[in-house]
Amino acid sequence: DGGITQSPKYLFRKEGQNVTLSCEQNLNHDAMYWYRQDPGQGLRLIYYSQIVNDFQKGDIAEGYSVSREKKESFPLTVTSAQKNPTAFYLCASSIGEGGSETQYFGPGTRLLVL
Amino acid sequence: GDSVTQMEGPVTLSEEAFLTINCTYTATGYPSLFWYVQYPGEGLQLLLKATKADDKGSNKGFEATYRKETTSFHLEKGSVQVSDSAVYFCALTILHNQGGKLIFGQGTELSVKP
Repeated sequence: DGGITQSPKYLFRKEGQNVTLSCEQNLNHDAMYWYRQDPGQGLRLIYYSQIVNDFQKGDIAEGYSVSREKKESFPLTVTSAQKNPTAFYLCASSIGEGGSETQYFGPGTRLLVL
Repeated sequence: GDSVTQMEGPVTLSEEAFLTINCTYTATGYPSLFWYVQYPGEGLQLLLKATKADDKGSNKGFEATYRKETTSFHLEKGSVQVSDSAVYFCALTILHNQGGKLIFGQGTELSVKP
């Protein structure tokens, strides 16, 4: 079955530590996205990538970094510069660039700070 | 800027009741409109979408009509079930806007009692 996988399901971060969230898709989609969800709020865009080896900042990119070395993979690193990292992180992908294209979401990773 | 406003929750209904969740939007371009559903601890699933004015999206008994004159995309279902209990997000995308990022409302929690 095609889909998007995210790992781990739960992740714990210590002070000053960088952590990396995995996102893999086997849908052959060109575009991939990372969103952050806080309790009682909608999702906000962190980074997006429309093609391999290219990515762009979203609305809340500070304290995060990404890479897109392979079409199927779009890992997100939460750096120590992100002062409030506790949230639910969702990865999504779509066939192409925005517009009417549907974005498909992974199951999410919940990041907690120790 | 572009935005989505949903009615506040939680919404509590009895099984077989009629559901309406209001959604209005502000957009500078010509958006596509979506409803996503999120079950506890999971990612988002596309429920339905509409890509142009007067389009009606429908799925699993849910419907929403793209009303350009009232900038609305209200979600309706004639008879809810306990299994419909979830958080519902209204969202829009605009072609060429940050790779087609989704702009979300804050979500409306629905609880259906037997």
